[in-house]
Amino acid sequence: GEQVEQRPPHLSVPEGDSAVIICTYTDSATAYFYWYKQEPGAGLQLLMSVFSNVDRKEEQGLTVLLNKKDKQLSLNLTAAHPGDSAVYFCAVITGYQNFYFGKGTSLTVIP
Amino acid sequence: ETAVFQTPNYHVTQVGNEVSFNCKQTLGHDTMYWYKQDSKKLLKIMFSYNNKQLIVNETVPRRFSPQSSDKAHLNLRIKSVEPEDSAVYLCASSDRGQVFFGKGTRLTVV
Repeated sequence: GEQVEQRPPHLSVPEGDSAVIICTYTDSATAYFYWYKQEPGAGLQLLMSVFSNVDRKEEQGLTVLLNKKDKQLSLNLTAAHPGDSAVYFCAVITGYQNFYFGKGTSLTVIP
Repeated sequence: ETAVFQTPNYHVTQVGNEVSFNCKQTLGHDTMYWYKQDSKKLLKIMFSYNNKQLIVNETVPRRFSPQSSDKAHLNLRIKSVEPEDSAVYLCASSDRGQVFFGKGTRLTVV
């Protein structure tokens, strides 16, 4: 079955710097890709979703890149601020609507 | 901003009891889901419900059943819980490929 690897598990960046989180997947038939943010005590907040026919998507300081050749999905937070501190999860849907989540990246933005 | 609301947050019960979890979404979506999360971060779909059409994952035991009063609500009932039902259950709704999750309900069966 699908395997999703996410790195790094922990990431600290100074305020104003960019933060990059990368996920790799194994199933080339994967069609839907998601990034979620989870703040302490909160649920999964959808940040961005991309379909497999999209290579790049930008929204509100976030850039998602999809490299289907290398089966790699990345999230780039440009000019991170302390409010971005949270745990970030990538997720993919394959086959019968089952979600495969990465193990998460704990991001700390240092003021 | 939370738009998919699940209650309770957690529940502890004994084997053989009946439990019911509630889910409500305020997004106006037509499709709702229930997922069960396993230890490897895999969310396995249990049910999807769209315009009164229920799609059931055939691997889901019959003691599980969804209940919907309208498109904003999809509850999950477990008729007689078993130890392997201990897990986190996530409700979700979707529209045009975007999927929004609730905070989850953690069930512990003792």
